Amino acid sequence: GDSVTQMEGPVTLSEEACLTINCTYTATGYPSLFWYVQYPGEGLQLLLKATKADDKGSNKGFEATYRKETTSFHLEKGSVQVSDSAVYFCALSPDSGAGSYQLTFGKGTKLSVIP
Amino acid sequence: EAGVAQSPRYKIIEKRQSVAFWCNPISGHATLYWYQQILGQGPKLLIQFQNNGVVDDSQLPKDRFSAERLKGVDSTLKIQPAKLEDSAVYLCASRPTGRHEQFFGPGTRLTVL
Repeated sequence: GDSVTQMEGPVTLSEEACLTINCTYTATGYPSLFWYVQYPGEGLQLLLKATKADDKGSNKGFEATYRKETTSFHLEKGSVQVSDSAVYFCALSPDSGAGSYQLTFGKGTKLSVIP
Repeated sequence: EAGVAQSPRYKIIEKRQSVAFWCNPISGHATLYWYQQILGQGPKLLIQFQNNGVVDDSQLPKDRFSAERLKGVDSTLKIQPAKLEDSAVYLCASRPTGRHEQFFGPGTRLTVL
């Protein structure tokens, strides 16, 4: 079945440091890929998405590129802020032909940014 | 546009008691999902509705969990009787037709003592 593997946390960075959170997936065809962010005590918010190979999703300074050849969707940000402290989840939705549109999530990576 | 609403936000119960959670999806979203998120893990799908019909409940522990979505809008998830291992955040999400992304509510944090 489908699966998502993301780097173990927690990750602690100083403000203005560069961030990379690795995410790889296993799925047939061309799934849609997502990064969701969960701030303390809140639900998940969609951060960015990519629906086909080589697409780059971007939002709030975060970027991720859909790499079919390496089945990866790594999250990057050039300069993190304290307000970016949260748990980040990589997720996939099966190829449209599968019909269910169910999300499979990674285990999450907790990011803490210190001033 | 209003987001997904859930209530209550927090609930503490004793084991063997029953509990119910409510969800109101984004207006016009036909598909609704309930997830269980145990501390330190990603959300796990419990049940998926399309309008008022169940699409997938294969991961719902049906001996104690039940869910309904009458009239294809609001949904309730019930646990009866609760066990200690049911302590988790219960997330509701809805999805617009033809799109892959889901929109999540704030969740209900359940503690079973």
